[in-house]
Amino acid sequence: KAGVTQTPRYLIKTRGQQVTLSCSPISGHRSVSWYQQTPGQGLQFLFEYFSETQRNKGNFPGRFSGRQFSNSRSEMNVSTLELGDSALYLCASSLWGTSNYGYTFGSGTRLTVV
Amino acid sequence: DAKTTQPPSMDCAEGRAANLPCNHSTISGNEYVYWYRQIHSQGPQYIIHGLKNNETNEMASLIITEDRKSSTLILPHATLRDTAVYYCIVPVRLNQAGTALIFGKGTTLSVSS
Repeated sequence: KAGVTQTPRYLIKTRGQQVTLSCSPISGHRSVSWYQQTPGQGLQFLFEYFSETQRNKGNFPGRFSGRQFSNSRSEMNVSTLELGDSALYLCASSLWGTSNYGYTFGSGTRLTVV
Repeated sequence: DAKTTQPPSMDCAEGRAANLPCNHSTISGNEYVYWYRQIHSQGPQYIIHGLKNNETNEMASLIITEDRKSSTLILPHATLRDTAVYYCIVPVRLNQAGTALIFGKGTTLSVSS
């Protein structure tokens, strides 16, 4: 079966712009989580969506937002980009998103802010 | 914050078993332990997870101590392709609604020939 698909794979944006990243989960999975990975901070949890509702949120500013559609596909948006937002953004899908079900990660979107 | 502690790095000779330890002393009775690995610039890859019994799959074995305060991931015959960062994770309950995988710094395993 198809895995988790993230688009685009690479993106270059200018400071002050906004960006939207997309994640299509494994068919049937209802939970989508987003992570930011940088060399300095490692993998950091952004937020999780389940059945179109944000269920968990990490410690990121309001410039980072997301949404989930009825088909479980999810998007995350970063507004007013800063140089420090350059990172690998990963999403993970899970059947229910609870502790006894596995999470499958996508290959990520590499965002570079210049 | 992550609920686990791991050594920052380990070395292993190719063909030998790699034993990666993890401490999760605050784990509660119904929380699973997950292991993922990440090869440079790729998304984390699921390896194995367990509750209290030892688990084995085609990739690895997971040994959980009886008190569940620590576990060991065993790669029985490490190859160069097993060189990666290995994460031991106990999902964190952020609010009433559910849990999240919170990653620590993991263990960088270097397999050499």
